[in-house]
Amino acid sequence: GAGVSQSPSNKVTEKGKDVELRCDPISGHTALYWYRQRLGQGLEFLIYFQGNSAPDKSGLPSDRFSAERTGESVSTLTIQRTQQEDSAVYLCASSLQGTHTDTQYFGPGTRLTVL
Amino acid sequence: AQKITQTQPGMFVQEKEAVTLDCTYDTSDPSYGLFWYKQPSSGEMIFLIYQGSYDQQNATEGRYSLNFQKARKSANLVISASQLGDSAMYFCAMKENDYKLSFGAGTTVTVRA
Repeated sequence: GAGVSQSPSNKVTEKGKDVELRCDPISGHTALYWYRQRLGQGLEFLIYFQGNSAPDKSGLPSDRFSAERTGESVSTLTIQRTQQEDSAVYLCASSLQGTHTDTQYFGPGTRLTVL
Repeated sequence: AQKITQTQPGMFVQEKEAVTLDCTYDTSDPSYGLFWYKQPSSGEMIFLIYQGSYDQQNATEGRYSLNFQKARKSANLVISASQLGDSAMYFCAMKENDYKLSFGAGTTVTVRA
């Protein structure tokens, strides 16, 4: 079946602009995650959605970052007033239930460059 | 404190030989999961193998096996019969009693013909 998809694959923006990144999880997966990967580094957790529960936003680095999810489908990550330090690859993942034994499957990522 | 430590920034391996990638972890939770992912230059994260903390046997998936030493808190990945397509970044990750994956810094593997 289809995997996790993300759009756009690449986004170049100017400092101070807002950007919106989209994630389509695997159908039937109730858990959705956003991570950030800076160049040459591992992934940092940003936010987690599980069904209709309140999201865990504990990884969001500042109030310029926000995310929404419609039911158990599409999610958007919004970064307002982008800064050069926001340049990174933003990866979305989904899993069946969100338990600690659950495997997370990742999308191809959105490479964000802030000039 | 770092939850996942990968001490090898880069490794070279000859085609058809085996390579071991080190991973040590730190947790006080009795229940946790350990994962290895592969990230080729294309950037996608590909799930390779999973080991649960209560699993009695080491996990294996095709050419991938996990050398799980619970007392030492290590979960090394062994790739047997390396292929050129195995050249990539490899990440060890852990989930404790929640859902967040904590990632190591990664190890770059380059397979030589």
